[in-house]
Amino acid sequence: VQLVESGGGLVQPGGSLRLSCAASGFTFSSYWMTWVRQTPGTGLEWVASIKQDGSQKYYVDSVKGRFTISRDNAKNSLYLQMDSLRAEDTAVYYCAISDFCVYWGQGTLVTVSS
Amino acid sequence: DIQMTQSPSSLSASVGDRVTITCRASQSISNYLAWFQQKPGKAPESLIYAASSLQSGVPSKFSGSGSGTDFTLTISSLQPEDFATYYCQQYISYPLTFGGGTKVEIK
Repeated sequence: VQLVESGGGLVQPGGSLRLSCAASGFTFSSYWMTWVRQTPGTGLEWVASIKQDGSQKYYVDSVKGRFTISRDNAKNSLYLQMDSLRAEDTAVYYCAISDFCVYWGQGTLVTVSS
Repeated sequence: DIQMTQSPSSLSASVGDRVTITCRASQSISNYLAWFQQKPGKAPESLIYAASSLQSGVPSKFSGSGSGTDFTLTISSLQPEDFATYYCQQYISYPLTFGGGTKVEIK
């Protein structure tokens, strides 16, 4: 099983980023997928989850209307489109398998700063 | 939203000690409770799901118990590689929520 996040970086407040998570070693289309973030030095915060076929999506209140989770089962890939970014979105973003996070990627750092 | 409260927030223990960490939910979550271990600079790793089911490959010194609102993670004999931060998470309903973490340090 492997999850590899990419797409993080430095962005100005109000800007956008699209995170990707490339999955391998398991049947991607059979699992809910989840994004979790962690502000440096602090705890874990669930961000969003998506059903196997993409028909159900859930978000933490603080990102609703700004972030969009999606997936491409043909490409074994999970995405997080992040718009209207704020300083408080600065964190390491992890993708994980299932809503109880059976396996995690290594994370990608998003820094929102001017 | 379901609040998850872990205690203690940190503890100091010696190699060989038996360690117990508690996680309390603000309302019943049945057994929809997972535990994770995170070492500095690394991603979290799953230890336990469904409150007491050991994740594949996780050593049997880790065990989980509880249901409803009160849960525990026990490490039967602490080893040097177990010094880390541990988190609980409920997944019975959205928004999914994590406990604040318990940092296990060397005494």
